[in-house]
Amino acid sequence: GDSVTQMEGPVTLSEEAFLTINCTYTATGYPSLFWYVQYPGEGLQLLLKATKADDKGSNKGFEATYRKETTSFHLEKGSVQVSDSAVYFCALMDSNYQLIWGAGTKLIIKP
Amino acid sequence: NAGVTQTPKFQVLKTGQSMTLQCAQDMNHEYMSWYRQDPGMGLRLIHYSVGAGITDQGEVPNGYNVSRSTTEDFPLRLLSAAPSQTSVYFCASINPGGNYGYTFGSGTRLTVV
Repeated sequence: GDSVTQMEGPVTLSEEAFLTINCTYTATGYPSLFWYVQYPGEGLQLLLKATKADDKGSNKGFEATYRKETTSFHLEKGSVQVSDSAVYFCALMDSNYQLIWGAGTKLIIKP
Repeated sequence: NAGVTQTPKFQVLKTGQSMTLQCAQDMNHEYMSWYRQDPGMGLRLIHYSVGAGITDQGEVPNGYNVSRSTTEDFPLRLLSAAPSQTSVYFCASINPGGNYGYTFGSGTRLTVV
């Protein structure tokens, strides 16, 4: 079945560092791909999405490109801030509109 | 624009008690889902609904019941709470014809003692 694998955390970076959180997927067809973010004590918010190969989703300085050839959707940000500290989830939407989730990656940004 | 509203935000139950977690959305979304979130395990689908009167089981349905009598509401019932059901529960909805992904509620943190 469909699955999502993302890098284990926590990932600890200093402020203004470059961020990459890896996400790969296994799926039949061409699923839509998502990154969700969960700030401490809060629910999940959609961060960005891509619906077809080579699409680039972007929001709040974060970017991710849908790579069909490597089945990847890595999350990147050029300069992280303390306020980016959160848990980040990669997910795909299957043909039944259900989300298949990665386990989440906790990001800690130190000032 | 309330989005997806979950109540209560926090609940403590004794083993064997029953309760209903409420979920309501005001976006006229067809699809609604319930997830539980446990440390290190991401989110797991409990039950979902593709429209009023239609529900189906997800990955971890045991111990939970749902119904969908209206488009807006999708309550989750715990019939006899167990400590293994201690978790954070999220309700979410989506309009499959839209292009914005799922909208999530703020969650219910449930502790079963």
